[in-house]
Amino acid sequence: DSGVTQTPKHLITATGQRVTLRCSPRSGDLSVYWYQQSLDQGLQFLIQYYNGEERAKGNILERFSAQQFPDLHSELNLSSLELGDSALYFCASSVGGGTGYTFGSGTRLTVV
Amino acid sequence: AQTVTQSQPEMSVQEAETVTLSCTYDTSESDYYLFWYKQPPSRQMILVIRQEAYKQQNATENRFSVNFQKAAKSFSLKISDSQLGDAAMYFCAYFTGTASKLTFGTGTRLQVTL
Repeated sequence: DSGVTQTPKHLITATGQRVTLRCSPRSGDLSVYWYQQSLDQGLQFLIQYYNGEERAKGNILERFSAQQFPDLHSELNLSSLELGDSALYFCASSVGGGTGYTFGSGTRLTVV
Repeated sequence: AQTVTQSQPEMSVQEAETVTLSCTYDTSESDYYLFWYKQPPSRQMILVIRQEAYKQQNATENRFSVNFQKAAKSFSLKISDSQLGDAAMYFCAYFTGTASKLTFGTGTRLQVTL
């Protein structure tokens, strides 16, 4: 157990639908990062939050949004889902980026 | 923009042997951090080793060590006495406070054979 909790572990949904992925960071970590990993691909950075505020943004689609709540958990919202959105979505947390990130076990999203 | 390149899509090593995975990166920053992450079939991302750019000494974690060549912007991972459990995808990653994100390479799939 890495200390970063992601739910759900698996999600199957239809095209056009909306889903919410949830992440609880490791205790004491203020930063939360979201990454997307498509099949046999590297990890693409989506977005970072630090203590409730958006800190950095990657190539995140306009259909995707995220937020970090006062208790530091974060949610990634994916809407108008397309087949190409099928991927493994990772959440990671850190106390400082230079120390390295601790990853959750990911949410596998399948869009059918 | 910072980029991380892993030129070996796949590598194979026999059990108990040593293997080196290559990584190069491109940056204009002087202060940054480099990492190797392991992703086994379970898909969990596991931090293997970390290197601070201002430290000349190469990082070591048990059977894992790095060869950090700052001028050449090279950061290779050496796995000694390879074990079956080392079979995984290995990602090289770069972090700088300027970009405030971890940038990953495309990964090297390591196979360990008997």
